[in-house]
Formats: sequence, structure tokens, C-alpha cells
Amino acid sequence: EAGVAQSPRYKIIEKRQSVAFWCNPISGHATLYWYQQILGQGPKLLIQFQNNGVVDDSQLPKDRFSAERLKGVDSTLKIQPAKLEDSAVYLCASLFQGGNTIYFGEGSWLTVV
Amino acid sequence: AQSVTQLGSHVSVSEGALVLLRCNYSSSVPPYLFWYVQYPNQGLQLLLKYTTGATLVKGINGFEAEFKKSETSFHLTKPSAHMSDAAEYFCAVTHSGNTGKLIFGQGTTLQVKP
Repeated sequence: EAGVAQSPRYKIIEKRQSVAFWCNPISGHATLYWYQQILGQGPKLLIQFQNNGVVDDSQLPKDRFSAERLKGVDSTLKIQPAKLEDSAVYLCASLFQGGNTIYFGEGSWLTVV
Repeated sequence: AQSVTQLGSHVSVSEGALVLLRCNYSSSVPPYLFWYVQYPNQGLQLLLKYTTGATLVKGINGFEAEFKKSETSFHLTKPSAHMSDAAEYFCAVTHSGNTGKLIFGQGTTLQVKP
């Protein structure tokens, strides 16, 4: 079974530029999550989707971050404009309906200079 | 509300020695507890989890953890450390109402000395 796929793995951008990360969850997983992991900290949930609807985006900085999951499968997380403090690993994860364990992708590593 | 505290941001052990990584949680509802491991430049890999039932849970790579409700703890142990165990370890808590919304601790870096 294929795992959670993410791309790009690494990205370096200048502040005020934009960036987008893509995630394809495990097939059949209805719930998709984006987590942000800043160096030296544990991951923090940014947004949760159930199919193509947003369940929780309370921790998403909506002035610069946006995310969508239009067809209920893959998802895109966008940052515009980026700030230095957005340097982090962006982890995508998915969960099977009724399951109790989420599975993480390898992460997309962002450096803002 | 839920929270996790991992005691000790860095733990160093000798190869072959006992590994003990401490995790305490706070939860107003019955918790689900997880330990994840993260190797350099990689994502999070599930080591083990507690949801219900047996309080001593065994995971991959010889790790185990015991849920102690009275102590609000879920410490991770391994009898004998191996060099390949060197990594970052995260404890996380959630609950049955939204199992994917994990609250993570700050992480503990495990160093294994030869």
C-alpha cells in the first residue's frame, strides 16, 4: 500500500515570495491533515479536511496560509507571502474513516531566507 | 483541553543500556496516546499506541510503553539501546472524538554512545 506522498521535499524561497505544497493521502483515507513542525518543536495541526470540507482550521494563519482539497483526494497548502518564521517542515497525514492512527508523509522542508 | 510534556529534551545512553523517555499528559477525556520516532530528514513513524485495553503496549524495534492513569504518564522504554535508535522521539495525545488531531510534546533527542 502506497503511503502519503508529498512534494516538493525541499524548497528555499525568499521572504514575501509564495510557495505551494502538494499532498496525496493513502487511497481511501477520507481525512487529511496538514501539520507544521518548526525546528526543535513538536508538530502542530494547521488544518483538517474531511473529504473536501474543512473540519478545523483554527490554527491556520489565514492572512498568509491557504489550503484546499477540491476533489476530496489530494490537497495543496499555499503560503503567500512567506515570512522567515514560516521556515518549517510541513507534514501531511491521513486517516481512514473510523481508524485511530494517522499516517504521515515524509514532509516538505521549507526554508525562507 | 489536552497537553503533553516530555521531560528532558536530550537523553544520552550507552549502547546496550536501558532507554527511558518520559511523557506526561493532561486530558479531560480518556486519552489515546502515541509515540512517534523521527529520523533526520524523514517524517514521523509510529512506534506504538495506546487506545483502550491493555495498559502495557509493545511497539516496533523493541520499544514498549505503559499507560499509567494515576500518574498521567506514558513513558517509553527499551531494555537495550542500539546505535540505530538515535533519533527524535515525540509523544502525542488525542481522544476518540477526533483521533487525528494530535497534540505533540516538544520531543526528546536520543543519543546513543558506543
